[in-house]
Amino acid sequence: AAGVIQSPRHLIKEKRETATLKCYPIPRHDTVYWYQQGPGQDPQFLISFYEKMQSDKGSIPDRFSAQQFSDYHSELNMSSLELGDSALYFCASSVGALGRGYEQYFGPGTRLTVT
Amino acid sequence: KQEVTQIPAALSVPEGENLVLNCSFTDSAIYNLQWFRQDPGKGLTSLLLIQSSQREQTSGRLNASLDKSSGRSTLYIAASQPGDSATYLCAVRWETSGSRLTFGEGTQLTVNP
Repeated sequence: AAGVIQSPRHLIKEKRETATLKCYPIPRHDTVYWYQQGPGQDPQFLISFYEKMQSDKGSIPDRFSAQQFSDYHSELNMSSLELGDSALYFCASSVGALGRGYEQYFGPGTRLTVT
Repeated sequence: KQEVTQIPAALSVPEGENLVLNCSFTDSAIYNLQWFRQDPGKGLTSLLLIQSSQREQTSGRLNASLDKSSGRSTLYIAASQPGDSATYLCAVRWETSGSRLTFGEGTQLTVNP
């Protein structure tokens, strides 16, 4: 079965640089979520999109932005990178964001290292 | 504040034991609860999803229960194997928090051969 695809899998950037993470949801899934997991921490919700519109916003820094495109893939843009942005970034997808019950399926993550 | 807590933080058992992992949450108005497995430095694998109207879900050697009124869920692993060694995370989707999942800090399980 098709899974959530994230690219790149690993990314090394220097401070103050920019990074773009991509997420391709499971076919026919219309909702995408982004989570950040710092070293030794649990995943923290950043932002989500349903039908190309932002549906929820969590603890996402102003330096970060994201969008969902017409083919439902999503990109997380990160600017002015800081050392503290080093983390594993997960994308998840589901069918629908409203109402109850929809299971979120997670991708393998992008490991971002800021030096 | 809506929080998820997992106890214990780490657990070490001999192979073959049955074990229980605990998850508690502060607000009983949930949509669903998911249990995940995470290997070191790897992604999140969904194990079981329990809807708010359900009491338990089973998949192979895994059984997850949900008691909304007491704000608790348990993950039961039967006949544990060394391959079960991983961090187990529970995550809650609350009725008032949109579609986001709130994770506990996980239980790091080691099954010794």
